[in-house]
Amino acid sequence: RKEVEQDPGPFNVPEGATVAFNCTYSNSASQSFFWYRQDCRKEPKLLMSVYSSGNEDGRFTAQLNRASQYISLLIRDSKLSDSATYLCVVNINTNAGKSTFGDGTTLTVKP
Amino acid sequence: DAGVIQSPRHEVTEMGQEVTLRCKPISGHDYLFWYRQTMMRGLELLIYFNNNVPIDDSGMPEDRFSAKMPNASFSTLKIQPSEPRDSAVYFCASSRTGEYSPLHFGNGTRLTVT
Repeated sequence: RKEVEQDPGPFNVPEGATVAFNCTYSNSASQSFFWYRQDCRKEPKLLMSVYSSGNEDGRFTAQLNRASQYISLLIRDSKLSDSATYLCVVNINTNAGKSTFGDGTTLTVKP
Repeated sequence: DAGVIQSPRHEVTEMGQEVTLRCKPISGHDYLFWYRQTMMRGLELLIYFNNNVPIDDSGMPEDRFSAKMPNASFSTLKIQPSEPRDSAVYFCASSRTGEYSPLHFGNGTRLTVT
């Protein structure tokens, strides 16, 4: 079983739709969690950190469920520019160190 | 802040040749990571350094791969001899110690071994 698992998709949604991605992790000792975004042929970039209480940044909401060992990302009112691959990232430690990436979920937003 | 700088952007080489990838982390970052990304295997951590010291190299595929960090502003990843299965995008990333400190990636080196 992979340490971090994501539904690869692809998710194809119309503009304005709400879409949600889930990610499960196997190590219960995991301490910090992130969502990264990767555009085609580019490097991954941090989208948002995921805090225990859940957090929101504009149209994006991240949630953490430690009991079930999963994190989620919700995108509201999706835009064409949201089309990308979304990577779930899990760290054992909070203070940097080794990050484990999921394989990513591909989102395509269509007009 | 110039970001993480990698060179070269593209490298095409023949099987058996030596390949050296270079990385300059963001100034002040004390962690440096080398990742490899392929369609089949996704993003894999090869090795990471903390304060220039290798901490975990368990992801390095085999003895043909080696990485060094002679100082805080420079790291290399070397493949000798290279093989076609090494073809991938190699990313360098850096971060600083701190709660929820994110990784900052370079643009990557796209390596093709023929």
